[in-house]
Amino acid sequence: GAGVSQSPSNKVTEKGKDVELRCDPISGHTALYWYRQSLGQGLEFLIYFQGNSAPDKSGLPSDRFSAERTGGSVSTLTIQRTQQEDSAVYLCASSLVVAGGLGDEQFFGPGTRLTVL
Amino acid sequence: GNSVTQMEGPVTLSEEAFLTINCTYTATGYPSLFWYVQYPGEGLQLLLKATKADDKGSNKGFEATYRKETTSFHLEKGSVQVSDSAVYFCALSDRSGYTGANSKLTFGKGITLSVRP
Repeated sequence: GAGVSQSPSNKVTEKGKDVELRCDPISGHTALYWYRQSLGQGLEFLIYFQGNSAPDKSGLPSDRFSAERTGGSVSTLTIQRTQQEDSAVYLCASSLVVAGGLGDEQFFGPGTRLTVL
Repeated sequence: GNSVTQMEGPVTLSEEAFLTINCTYTATGYPSLFWYVQYPGEGLQLLLKATKADDKGSNKGFEATYRKETTSFHLEKGSVQVSDSAVYFCALSDRSGYTGANSKLTFGKGITLSVRP
């Protein structure tokens, strides 16, 4: 079956512009996560959606970052007024959460490489 | 907050050498522990996991044991191959207060392993 897909695979933008990154999780997966991977900071959690619960936004680095998940499926991460320090690979992951389940595997997409000039 | 510390890299080994990659963690409660691997040009994928103390995760000849007393989850392989060359990430998972299941991952910095023939 299809895995997690992300688009675009690469995005080059100018400082100050807004960007939208898309994630299509594995069908039926109730949990969706955004992370970013950068040379200086490693892999960092950004935001987590689980079912109809309020998202966990504790990892968003500033109010320029936001994300939404429509219909419990596709998610869009938006970065407004991009800065050079936003350059990174943005990874999306999904998992099938079973209440009380442990060790639920997160399946990662290939990522979107964002370059802010 | 939660944190994961991995040994500094990179690591270069000859084929058939023994591998140990150290990982220690700090967490409240009882996290699940994971090793993820990123092969060149590929996405992040789960290598193995352990959900409670003294559990041993294993896959592809790799093993790691969840040691609560030393808060460690060291990765080992008895005989590495060239195909094991990749970046390895140790991670832990929070437990969701809503579902009781695992949620967002906290990653270590990752370590690059190169295996020469």
